[in-house]
Amino acid sequence: DTEVTQTPKHLVMGMTNKKSLKCEQHMGHRAMYWYKQKAKKPPELMFVYSYEKLSINESVPSRFSPECPNSSLLNLHLHALQPEDSALYLCASSQALSAGGHYEQYFGPGTRLTVT
Amino acid sequence: AQSVAQPEDQVNVAEGNPLTVKCTYSVSGNPYLFWYVQYPNRGLQFLLKYITGDNLVKGSYGFEAEFNKSQTSFHLKKPSALVSDSALYFCAVRDYYNFNKFYFGSGTKLNVKP
Repeated sequence: DTEVTQTPKHLVMGMTNKKSLKCEQHMGHRAMYWYKQKAKKPPELMFVYSYEKLSINESVPSRFSPECPNSSLLNLHLHALQPEDSALYLCASSQALSAGGHYEQYFGPGTRLTVT
Repeated sequence: AQSVAQPEDQVNVAEGNPLTVKCTYSVSGNPYLFWYVQYPNRGLQFLLKYITGDNLVKGSYGFEAEFNKSQTSFHLKKPSALVSDSALYFCAVRDYYNFNKFYFGSGTKLNVKP
C-alpha cells in the first residue's frame, strides 16, 4: 500500500473558524510533511515531522498548528486564517530521514482550502 | 545552497513525438534528484529519481531521465508522448545537508496535442 490519504478533500471556512486537516499513511514511514501549494506553483514546505517530532517549521504563522499523534497520522489545525491562506494543502511521507536522503516522498491528493 | 531550475513554463508536443522537459540543478555534494508529475487537483506522483550509478534512469509510465554532471542537468524524456501525459511536471532536489528539505523547481506544463 503506497497510499497517503487526506481528509477532507475540500474545506470552506470563515476567518473565525477552527478546523483541522488530517493525513494518514500505513507505509511505515517515519517522516511526514505538510506543504502549501498555490495554483500552478510548486509546493512550499511548511512542516516536517521526523519520528513524530517536529524537525522543521518554515516560519509558518501560528494560525497553522501541526500535530503528529502517532507514526501514521498527521494533523494540521487551522484557526483564524486569512483569505490568502486559501490553497491546496498537501501531506507527504517518506522513509526515515536518518536512513538516507535518497528516498522519495509519497503525496496525498490534498485538501483544497478556501477561506472566506 | 541547493536549487533546481526549470527554464520552460510550458512545453507543447504532438502525440507520438518524443518529449523533453528540462531541469538544471545547483547543489553542494552529491545530488539526489527527483521528478514528479501533478494532474489537475491532485497530489504529486513520483516518477523517478537519480541517486548514483547509471546516468540514464528509467521510471514510471515510460518516462526516463538523463543525469549529466558536466551540464548539471537532469532532463525528463519520453520516446513517444501520449495525450494523457499532459500535466504539470516538477523537478526536485533533496538538500544534501538537511534531508528534511526538498527544493522544487517552478514546474513545467506539458501539453500533448492529439
